[in-house]
Amino acid sequence: ETGVTQSPTHLIKTRGQQVTLRCSSQSGHNTVSWYQQALGQGPQFIFQYYREEENGRGNFPPRFSGLQFPNYSSELNVNALELDDSALYLCASSLGRTSGNTIYFGEGSWLTVV
Amino acid sequence: GQNIDQPTEMTATEGAIVQINCTYQTSGFNGLFWYQQHAGEAPTFLSYNVLDGLEEKGRFSSFLSRSKGYSYLLLKELQMKDSASYLCAVDLDSNYQLIWGAGTKLIIKP
Repeated sequence: ETGVTQSPTHLIKTRGQQVTLRCSSQSGHNTVSWYQQALGQGPQFIFQYYREEENGRGNFPPRFSGLQFPNYSSELNVNALELDDSALYLCASSLGRTSGNTIYFGEGSWLTVV
Repeated sequence: GQNIDQPTEMTATEGAIVQINCTYQTSGFNGLFWYQQHAGEAPTFLSYNVLDGLEEKGRFSSFLSRSKGYSYLLLKELQMKDSASYLCAVDLDSNYQLIWGAGTKLIIKP
């Protein structure tokens, strides 16, 4: 148990739809990072939020957007879903920005786009 | 560009020792993480190396050579529950992201 919770755990969406994934960070952690993990691959960094501000972004299009709330929980929104968006979406929290700090993952949200 | 290489798959016998290698070529380096990921589950933290040398933690040890861009994870007294993927990730010191390898799937046989 890492104390990081994600919802929903599994969902199926149709191409073109929009999805919102949610994450509650470990108590006291002010930084949340989102990763996309395709089957058989390592996690790919989407973006990070630190104290409600986007702190860095990976190589993902603008239809991937996010939000962090005052309690440090976070949302990942994906618009205009494509088949290739099917993946495990991982949220990770840490105390402070990533460098030098261990990150703790939630159980992930499995997204299938059909 | 950033590049991290790990073997795709390894097989070992219960009770034996296995070494999983990770080589990296990255624009920055602050440290290297190892995570374990069981099928269908989230990665869990194993180790974080900053300085050269071997760090031991129970049955698991992790080694780093910064000059060679090389790390390995050593698992001793293998158990069936060690069957999982093992991911190495480089902390770039960019303050916001880790660069991950694709993972090594470790299969333990009785």
